[in-house]
Amino acid sequence: NAGVMQNPRHLVRRRGQEARLRCSPMKGHSHVYWYRQLPEEGLKFMVYLQKENIIDESGMPKERFSAEFPKEGPSILRIQQVVRGDSAAYFCASSPGLAPREQFFGPGTRLTVL
Amino acid sequence: DAKTTQPNSMESNEEEPVHLPCNHSTISGTDYIHWYRQLPSQGPEYVIHGLTSNVNNRMASLAIAEDRKSSTLILHRATLRDAAVYYCILGAQGGSEKLVFGKGTKLTVNP
Repeated sequence: NAGVMQNPRHLVRRRGQEARLRCSPMKGHSHVYWYRQLPEEGLKFMVYLQKENIIDESGMPKERFSAEFPKEGPSILRIQQVVRGDSAAYFCASSPGLAPREQFFGPGTRLTVL
Repeated sequence: DAKTTQPNSMESNEEEPVHLPCNHSTISGTDYIHWYRQLPSQGPEYVIHGLTSNVNNRMASLAIAEDRKSSTLILHRATLRDAAVYYCILGAQGGSEKLVFGKGTKLTVNP
């Protein structure tokens, strides 16, 4: 049973470009979470999605960031017009159900904005 | 979100037990206690969770104080691979269970 897959593992963008980060949850998991870890800082929750629905986006920046988890295919975290401050590791996690079910994390996508 | 307090760092020797403490004095009756760890350059990894009773699994044991205001993660025999940042996190049952990570405890394991 494959774990949570994230791609790309490393992504380099220039300021103003768009970044698309993909997350394929574990088989049978319908809950997806995105977290961000800025350099030398802790992990911060961004958004929680179930299939076709955003459940909690309280950690998402108000502008330029969006997330989706379509009926078919991976979850996508999209960052428009990237700035240097978006450089971070972005982790996706999936869970089979509500708390206290454990979350399984992917290896992360390391975004570098030049 | 209820807060937890952990020491910034701890050190242990290989093959010795490690006790990682966590204080959560404002825990509510429905809050679970979760432990995750993050190895260098990797995503977080679930370790264990519990509500009131002590818990054991293949990775670790979780000892929960009777008043639930503190807990201790026990690694019975530390290995070099256990060197990581350990996070103690509270979460409500049935909630969205977004994980609120603090600074955690950085565990160093000496050979």
